[in-house]
Order: sequence, then structure tokens, then C-alpha cells
Amino acid sequence: GQSLEQPSEVTAVEGAIVQINCTYQTSGFYGLSWYQQHDGGAPTFLSYNALDGLEETGRFSSFLSRSDSYGYLLLQELQMKDSASYFCALDTGRRALTFGSGTRLQVQP
Amino acid sequence: ETGVTQSPTHLIKTRGQQVTLRCSSQSGHNTVSWYQQALGQGPQFIFQYYREEENGRGNFPPRFSGLQFPNYSSELNVNALELDDSALYLCASSSGQGSSYEQYFGPGTRLTVT
Repeated sequence: GQSLEQPSEVTAVEGAIVQINCTYQTSGFYGLSWYQQHDGGAPTFLSYNALDGLEETGRFSSFLSRSDSYGYLLLQELQMKDSASYFCALDTGRRALTFGSGTRLQVQP
Repeated sequence: ETGVTQSPTHLIKTRGQQVTLRCSSQSGHNTVSWYQQALGQGPQFIFQYYREEENGRGNFPPRFSGLQFPNYSSELNVNALELDDSALYLCASSSGQGSSYEQYFGPGTRLTVT
């Protein structure tokens, strides 16, 4: 099977940069996705890494290292609205995403 | 473009009862996946439907079943409800068969089993 580990909570201040790490175990996968979920809301897609390296989408960047079984999501210029839960998810090509348990980000003024 | 919608938003049922949850996929999407999200956890895959056929299933018992209709909307049915079935049930749509790394989620149905 697959498993993913993320820190349960991260706190940062407005305007700062924060990195949310994700380590995983799997026998094979196509890529690593990141989703954001506000309290009471639907998960929304943020980023995807099929290849090793950095993918940048505006204030958000995501990184993947297959050799280290590790990825991270980098959020820059933090805003209060970025307070949410962030999930990494493995795309194993088996018709579903396998999600981590999520990291709750609290942005403080 | 219409997003993914789910109904009802909240539901309270008694242990042993049956429940049906509904999902309308995003316009142009023919694949619907259902996930269960317990409080403080990530979504867990239940099953996926593609062109009205079950196209993959997670580690959930047979009392979790589903349907997809010709317009690609979908239902999730849960029989013999248990207390542990209390969760947020999310529907996600995508285009094409197989896993898609970018799925569009609905707002979910919050099911409480008492």
C-alpha cells in the first residue's frame, strides 16, 4: 500500500514563507499532488509534480524528490486567507488519489 | 461552467439505517470519485465511476455502493449504517478514465450517525 506523512500543524506570520513537508512510502506512483481545504470547504487542487524538481504556480511552489521519497509545498508572502489544511496526495494511477492526513496551517497577523 | 454539487449538505441518520448521497459532476467530466473524510483526516477513496461502470474501489465494505447515471451524476449508497460512518463524504469529478491528479471536489455531505 501507500502511506504519506505530514506535520499535523504549522504556524507562520503574515508575509512570511512556510514549507509543508510530505514523506511517502509507495511501490510506484505517477506524481504528487497538493490540495488546500478551508474549514467546511471542498479540497481544491494547488499543484502537481510528475518529475523531480520545483513547480511554481504564483505564490505556491511544490517540490518532489523521488530518490528521497519526499516532497514539499512552499507558500510565499503568506496571507491570512492561506489559513487552511494542506494535503499531499499520491497519484498511483489506480483510479484514485491517496491522501496524507493533512497539515493545518495557521497564519497569524 | 457549473462546478461539482452535492446534496444534501447535512444528514443525521440512526445506526442500521440506509442513506443515499447525490453528486452532480462538473460540466464535461465523465468520471466521478467518492471519498470519505473523517474529522482531522485526509479523504479516503471509496470508489470511482467512469461511464456508468465502477472503475476502481478502495478498502470499503460492500455495504458502500454507488451508481452513475447517463448524465454522469452519481449516487453513493450506504446500508446498515454504523457509528464510524459519521464523516464528510466528498464527491470529485475529473475527465477521462483512471486516476487524475487534478480532481474537482464538491462541498461534501456531512453525515452524522447516532
